Amino acid sequence: DTGVSQNPRHKITKRGQNVTFRCDPISEHNRLYWYRQTLGQGPEFLTYFQNEAQLEKSRLLSDRFSAERPKGSFSTLEIQRTEQGDSAMYLCASSLLGGANTGELFFGEGSRLTVL
Amino acid sequence: GEDVEQSLFLSVREGDSSVINCTYTDSSSTYLYWYKQEPGAGLQLLTYIFSNMDMKQDQRLTVLLNKKDKHLSLRIADTQTGDSAIYFCAERPKNYGQNFVFGPGTRLSVLP
Repeated sequence: DTGVSQNPRHKITKRGQNVTFRCDPISEHNRLYWYRQTLGQGPEFLTYFQNEAQLEKSRLLSDRFSAERPKGSFSTLEIQRTEQGDSAMYLCASSLLGGANTGELFFGEGSRLTVL
Repeated sequence: GEDVEQSLFLSVREGDSSVINCTYTDSSSTYLYWYKQEPGAGLQLLTYIFSNMDMKQDQRLTVLLNKKDKHLSLRIADTQTGDSAIYFCAERPKNYGQNFVFGPGTRLSVLP
């Protein structure tokens, strides 16, 4: 399988706990994105990496959120001290910069977070 | 700010054509995209159009772009029950770096 892989697919946690999601992008893709999607909404941009460098962060990304991509391959998104408002689907996507491609995003199936 | 707008619901009969509309905000967007999301799944790229094109056809899909009005549409010919899903329009404005901006999605229901 050469698609974008995310885990866990579902996470239920109590308010105040920390959670971490992992994303494995398509292997040759140098860009990796995190989006958040709530019910009835389109994906909202959180952050993106080019290789291991985090190049852009949304103002939606509070101090409780941190993302890493230490070796330019997989990425983790950690949410500390979760709040009920953090309940959402967290989507990872990857893309390939350069060449004749259009830079389209390839999405994983998402990690659904429920904060009780 | 940036807002991509779509109508939220569309219902059609099997075999009819579906037309999903989108209004985007940034005329600098080089590419405009249509993504499809089925229940419990991630988004899947359906098609895209380059900003210097007016129309693109890809099998049952036709994309029309009106740059003057910043209006994008997706037509699905001979709609099938398997086309039932949420369809998202997306742009990538130059002023927003590499950030893709998505609309809220149009839920297409195909009735037998």
